[in-house]
Amino acid sequence: GAVVSQHPSRVICKSGTSVKIECRSLDFQATTMFWYRQFPKQSLMLMATSNEGSKATYEQGVEKDKFLINHASLTLSTLTVTSAHPEDSSFYICSASLGRENNEQFFGPGTRLTVL
Amino acid sequence: GQNIDQPTEMTATEGAIVQINCTYQTSGFNGLFWYQQHAGEAPTFLSYNVLDGLEEKGRFSSFLSRSKGYSYLLLKELQMKDSASYLCAVSDSNYQLIWGAGTKLIIKP
Repeated sequence: GAVVSQHPSRVICKSGTSVKIECRSLDFQATTMFWYRQFPKQSLMLMATSNEGSKATYEQGVEKDKFLINHASLTLSTLTVTSAHPEDSSFYICSASLGRENNEQFFGPGTRLTVL
Repeated sequence: GQNIDQPTEMTATEGAIVQINCTYQTSGFNGLFWYQQHAGEAPTFLSYNVLDGLEEKGRFSSFLSRSKGYSYLLLKELQMKDSASYLCAVSDSNYQLIWGAGTKLIIKP
C-alpha cells in the first residue's frame, strides 16, 4: 500500500516558538493531503485540506494564521504551528489521498507535540 | 447536517465475535471506510464499502446498507491485539471524509 511518512515523530518545544511538521507521500503522488489533530481519548478532528499548488481549506474554528499549511509539491505538505502554546499540545496526523474519486486516505504515523 | 453515529465503547471476550455498528446521515455518499487505531498511533485502513452487501477480509468483515444508512464491522476470533478504536468514515458528495467519533473496543481474556 501507499506509504506516508511524518517528521518529526515527537517534538517538545517552549511556549511561543514555532514548530514545523513535514508530511511526505513516499511512493505515490498525493493530490490532496489532510491535517488532523487528536486530543487524548478523542476522535480525529480535521484541521485542513490542502491541494498541491493551492491554498489550504481550513475547517471552522481552525486559525489559518496560527496553523500554516504549505503543499508545495505532490509529495510534501508541511504544517507549521506558530507561536505554540500548551493548549496546542496534541497528536497531529497527516494523511494523503490519490485524488478526488480515489478517496482512501493513507495516514502518516503522527507527530506528538508537547508545548511547555 | 452530516452525522456519523457509532457506540463509544464495547467490550468483548478473546475468541468471540463482535459487531460494531455505524449509522450515517450525509449529503451524498461515495463510500464508507473502516479504520483501526491503536492508542498513540495513526489510523490504519481496514475496509471500504461502496455497494450494498458484505465484504469479507480474513477475520474482519464489513457490511453496508445504503438505503438504511447503516454499516457494521464484524470481527471474528477476537485477539487481544484487536483492542483498539474503530473509526467509521463516510465519503460525502464532495468526496470529503466525514468521521465518526470512534468505538473503543476492549478485549478481555
